[in-house]
Amino acid sequence: SQELEQSPQSLIVQEGKNLTINCTSSKTLYGLYWYKQKYGEGLIFLMMLQKGGEEKSHEKITAKLDEKKQQSSLHITASQPSHAGIYLCGADNQAGTALIFGKGTTLSVSS
Amino acid sequence: GAGVSQSPSNKVTEKGKDVELRCDPISGHTALYWYRQSLGQGLEFLIYFQGNSAPDKSGLPSDRFSAERTGGSVSTLTIQRTQQEDSAVYLCASTTGYEQYFGPGTRLTVT
Repeated sequence: SQELEQSPQSLIVQEGKNLTINCTSSKTLYGLYWYKQKYGEGLIFLMMLQKGGEEKSHEKITAKLDEKKQQSSLHITASQPSHAGIYLCGADNQAGTALIFGKGTTLSVSS
Repeated sequence: GAGVSQSPSNKVTEKGKDVELRCDPISGHTALYWYRQSLGQGLEFLIYFQGNSAPDKSGLPSDRFSAERTGGSVSTLTIQRTQQEDSAVYLCASTTGYEQYFGPGTRLTVT
């Protein structure tokens, strides 16, 4: 079965610094999703990537999918306290009926 | 507009009792998912409903877990004879496409 591994598990950065979160799949990714979760809240969709080499940006967050479609990265530029939370990568399961998620990366931003 | 809602937001129950968790998806969303988020386990898929098709129950951890979706809208997840390992946040999501919209979750604590 497919597994998604995220690194690092947790991250503390100073406000204004850049950071990168990685998501590696054991199998080829056909749909890679990035979500953000704040404690006690549901997941908020950030971006979806499908094509090898694809890159998408929204405000200060950029997500990339490598050419082999087995690794994705999420990059935050000039981090702010509002970026703090848990970032989860997800991928379509084999049946295409649900998402498989990584265990998440907890981001803390110190001001 | 209204998002996915779940009730109750918190539930504490005694081991051995049955519980029902409710999910109200976004109106018009044909697909509905239940996930479970446990400490250290990440998010795991439980069950998927799509329109009038038979649900994909492949993620249900035991026969104590069941779910139904009435009228293609509201869904109820039932856990019978709850065990302490059932303690988790249960998340519901709905979609019409690739972006899943998540509810805030129900935090279940089994004492």
